[in-house]
Amino acid sequence: GPKVLQIPSHQIIDMGQMVTLNCDPVSNHLYFYWYKQILGQQMEFLVNFYNGKVMEKSKLFKDQFSVERPDGSYFTLKIQPTALEDSAVYFCASSLEPGGNTEVFFGKGTRLTVV
Amino acid sequence: QQQVRQSPQSLTVWEGETAILNCSYEDSTFNYFPWYQQFPGEGPALLISISSVSDKKEDGRFTIFFNKREKKLSLHITDSQPGDSATYFCAASDNNRIFFGDGTQLVVKP
Repeated sequence: GPKVLQIPSHQIIDMGQMVTLNCDPVSNHLYFYWYKQILGQQMEFLVNFYNGKVMEKSKLFKDQFSVERPDGSYFTLKIQPTALEDSAVYFCASSLEPGGNTEVFFGKGTRLTVV
Repeated sequence: QQQVRQSPQSLTVWEGETAILNCSYEDSTFNYFPWYQQFPGEGPALLISISSVSDKKEDGRFTIFFNKREKKLSLHITDSQPGDSATYFCAASDNNRIFFGDGTQLVVKP
C-alpha cells in the first residue's frame, strides 16, 4: 500500500543545535502533518500543511519549529534551536483530503534524542 | 479543550476475551471516526472506521459501536489474540480537520 517514508529513523543531537526531520509523503497526497509522540503513547498534533502553507498548528508547535515542502522534495520539520523537551518520536503523515472519509497514512517515525 | 478522549489509558485482557476500548468526542460536526492501530516501532495504521450515519461497523473480530446522541463510540475486539497487543487511537474528523485521542494501550495475555 501507500507508504510515507521518514528519514532518518533515529537522530541524536546536542541541545541548541538545529535538526531537520525529513518526510517523503504518499506521492499524490496534498495534506501533510507532523505529530509528536512521547513514550509510545499520546499522539500529539503539531501542524498540518497544504499548498505550501501551514493550515493549523497546535501550542506544541513552538516558534523554534518550522515546516516546508519545496516543490517535489521532502516535507520537512526543522527545529532550531533544539531543547531537551523536544526528545520524542516525530511522525509524519499525509492524506489526500483534509478530513472526512479519508485515510491518513503515517510514516514509521523519527526518534529524536536531544542530549 | 481536547476534542477526542479515550479510556482506559491501558487495558489488559486474556486471550479469547473481548476487549472494549472507549472514545468520546466534543464537536457534533464530526462525521467520520476512524480507529488506528499502532505496533511498537511503527506508525499508526487505519484499522476500521465508521461514519456518523451508522451505529455499528463490523470487520471480522473488530466492531465499532457508535452513539451519536451521546457523542460516544467504542471498539470491541472479540476473541482477543496476543497479536492484537498494540496502542489503539480513536480519531474524529469533519471535512477539514482530524483529531486523535491519546490512545489506549492494549495487552492481550496468552
